[in-house]
Amino acid sequence: AQSVAQPEDQVNVAEGNPLTVKCTYSVSGNPYLFWYVQYPNRGLQFLLKYITGDNLVKGSYGFEAEFNKSQTSFHLKKPSALVSDSALYFCAVRDGSSGTYKYIFGTGTRLKVLA
Amino acid sequence: DAGVTQSPTHLIKTRGQQVTLRCSPKSGHDTVSWYQQALGQGPQFIFQYYEEEERQRGNFPDRFSGHQFPNYSSELNVNALLLGDSALYLCATNQTGPEAFFGQGTRLTVV
Repeated sequence: AQSVAQPEDQVNVAEGNPLTVKCTYSVSGNPYLFWYVQYPNRGLQFLLKYITGDNLVKGSYGFEAEFNKSQTSFHLKKPSALVSDSALYFCAVRDGSSGTYKYIFGTGTRLKVLA
Repeated sequence: DAGVTQSPTHLIKTRGQQVTLRCSPKSGHDTVSWYQQALGQGPQFIFQYYEEEERQRGNFPDRFSGHQFPNYSSELNVNALLLGDSALYLCATNQTGPEAFFGQGTRLTVV
């Protein structure tokens, strides 16, 4: 069975400091991994994905994520946080080997960037 | 190019009623998935439509049903509404790539 864990309900970081939002996953086949961001009363916006290839993937708005197969992690990072990055972040996984089309989402991590 | 659009944005229904939510996919996208996001939770997969047929279904009762039209737009129908059906309902569409693009959602409140 597929699952995603986001161990932190909330992450606080000062503006200008680097940020990390953690995600670990479990999938029996090849993981397709995604990060999405959700602003209040809005849908989810796609940030980045890992399908195959380079373990460090770059996405929108300066975000990047590192795929670590041995630790089954896919942490979201940004070198310098902005107040406007404050939002709810979701990690998602899809099993790329099983023929399933559904995404499994984590419970979300609220990021607060303090001015 | 319009993204994924959903209607209505908000609605309030009474227990036992039926509701229909609508989704128009991003241009060129032929696959539509529906998710339910309860307050404080991540989205949960309801089902996916491709070529006007339900291709995969999550763990939702038969009260939840859907349809996809030839123009790829889709509807989500929920019968016999329960208080627990109150949630944000998200439509997501794909083309050939694995990443899905989401609409802004429909906030359903059941009273």
